[in-house]
Amino acid sequence: GDSVTQMEGPVTLSEEAFLTINCTYTATGYPSLFWYVQYPGEGLQLLLKATKADDKGSNKGFEATYRKETTSFHLEKGSVQVSDSAVYFCALSDRGSSASKIIFGSGTRLSIRP
Amino acid sequence: GAVVSQHPSRVICKSGTSVKIECRSLDFQATTMFWYRQFPKQSLMLMATSNEGSKATYEQGVEKDKFLINHASLTLSTLTVTSAHPEDSSFYICSAREDLEYGYTFGSGTRLTVV
Repeated sequence: GDSVTQMEGPVTLSEEAFLTINCTYTATGYPSLFWYVQYPGEGLQLLLKATKADDKGSNKGFEATYRKETTSFHLEKGSVQVSDSAVYFCALSDRGSSASKIIFGSGTRLSIRP
Repeated sequence: GAVVSQHPSRVICKSGTSVKIECRSLDFQATTMFWYRQFPKQSLMLMATSNEGSKATYEQGVEKDKFLINHASLTLSTLTVTSAHPEDSSFYICSAREDLEYGYTFGSGTRLTVV
């Protein structure tokens, strides 16, 4: 079945460092891809999404490009801030079915040092 | 943008009692809602999918008689944890989907502690 694999954390960086969180997927169809962020004690917030190959999702300085050839959707940010400390989930959804559901990766905990 | 309200945010109950968690889509009609459970420092585990006016579809291993899901309207789904035990303590999150073209909007979660 469909699945999402993302790099294990925790990831600890200094403020203003460059961030990459790797995410790859397997899917039989043509999924939509998402990055969600979860701050401590809260639910999930959609960070960005992409719905077709070569689409780039971006928000709050974060970017991810839908790479069909490598089945990847890596999350990047050029200069992280302390406020970016959270858990990040890569996810996919098959839009083609009314029975579709969202499948999450295991999550990557990010900690930014001042 | 789409907003999903989940209540309560925290609840403590005694072992053997039942707890109801509500999930409401505030500015859109959610044909499908999802309930997840999240253990500490782990990913979200899908428990069940509910469609308005029909029975919920439970994931393998989830006890449907213990976790009762009702989706009586296009804006409200409820999860009732019946005869709760300490092992049911967890973070429960709902999400709603308006249609296939949109992403999923998540509630803020409910921290359930059974004592």
